[in-house]
Amino acid sequence: DAGITQSPRHKVTETGTPVTLRCHQTENHRYMYWYRQDPGHGLRLIHYSYGVKDTDKGEVSDGYSVSRSKTEDFLLTLESATSSQTSVYFCAISDGVAGAYEQYFGPGTRLTVT
Amino acid sequence: AQTVTQSQPEMSVQEAETVTLSCTYDTSESDYYLFWYKQPPSRQMILVIRQEAYKQQNATENRFSVNFQKAAKSFSLKISDSQLGDAAMYFCAYMNRDDKIIFGKGTRLHILP
Repeated sequence: DAGITQSPRHKVTETGTPVTLRCHQTENHRYMYWYRQDPGHGLRLIHYSYGVKDTDKGEVSDGYSVSRSKTEDFLLTLESATSSQTSVYFCAISDGVAGAYEQYFGPGTRLTVT
Repeated sequence: AQTVTQSQPEMSVQEAETVTLSCTYDTSESDYYLFWYKQPPSRQMILVIRQEAYKQQNATENRFSVNFQKAAKSFSLKISDSQLGDAAMYFCAYMNRDDKIIFGKGTRLHILP
């Protein structure tokens, strides 16, 4: 299994509070991704990173920001959580070298915003 | 924009039988990758199989194989000798080279003992 961890694994927070989710990898992969998974929508890309300090928006980036100051860590921040951000969040990594574009996923974080 | 469609929200198969999950995609690209991911109740996303569009030969991984029809933009997953542990949500995914993955909405597979 790829070395990817997410923290916390579960979190309950109140509307309007800031929340930061952490993704940590030990594979030294270049690319890192944040997805959210909701019933009826599959997985949707929030933000991704193609290197340290290099990030870009995905399909559902509104209300989210990211940072990557080290190869191994990719942080997802909800500046002011809303109930619509209640979801399961997945981090993924990929090597992107020599055709190895498949993504490997972390265990997920279940976030509930009350 | 590329899209991925899984037309079967749920399917059931008897244990030890064979089942095929459907996936179609839309793209104007000629060079891309296709994947099937499995998500069991543990919620962990697991890569099942991958296919490079430039390869004509269908990918296989043990009991899992694909039927890749490039002209029809179809990428179905066949699971042979179904086992109880195969029960999961299965996601079809498409990716351009150096681009982002697009997932279908998934097919929930039930295995009947």
